[in-house]
Amino acid sequence: KQEVTQIPAALSVPEGENLVLNCSFTDSAIYNLQWFRQDPGKGLTSLLLIQSSQREQTSGRLNASLDKSSGRSTLYIAASQPGDSATYLCAVRREDDKIIFGKGTRLHILP
Amino acid sequence: NAGVTQTPKFRILKIGQSMTLQCTQDMNHNYMYWYRQDPGMGLKLIYYSVGAGITDKGEVPNGYNVSRSTTEDFPLRLELAAPSQTSVYFCASHRPNSNQPQHFGDGTRLSIL
Repeated sequence: KQEVTQIPAALSVPEGENLVLNCSFTDSAIYNLQWFRQDPGKGLTSLLLIQSSQREQTSGRLNASLDKSSGRSTLYIAASQPGDSATYLCAVRREDDKIIFGKGTRLHILP
Repeated sequence: NAGVTQTPKFRILKIGQSMTLQCTQDMNHNYMYWYRQDPGMGLKLIYYSVGAGITDKGEVPNGYNVSRSTTEDFPLRLELAAPSQTSVYFCASHRPNSNQPQHFGDGTRLSIL
């Protein structure tokens, strides 16, 4: 059974700092891994998707890495801004197309 | 494109009432999903569909039913609402066999009193 764990559950950092969010999964037989952002009362917005054959993806100040063999992914946010405050969710797509989510990391950037 | 549209945005039900949560997408995606999200938790898969006429159970299907008569629509039905079904419900879709991201609706916030 695939389980997805995100650490930490919550994180507060001063504006301008670089930060790393962690995601781990128990079954390495995945199709891809996605990082989502969720603002309060809103749906999920896809940030980055890493295919199982890839090691990392970048979009602006965001960089996501994937180490399938160890069951880990990280989301790196450079030069954090107050607008980055949100919940970040990691989701693993299994080879049978079911998508399993972690519980998320609530990020608060202090102005 | 509107993407994934969910209605209603909010609803309050009494115990034992029934209702249908609507979800429609205009991206011609074969795969559609229903999730529920409880406070402080991730998303739990209720039902999913890989195409019109095909549905399958997810992790938490009890108390819910779905149908998929068209590619665009994937309604979720609660027959006898219970307090445990108080949650935020999200519908999502994506293309099959591709590395395209899932698209989500804005959610339906449902309270059962």
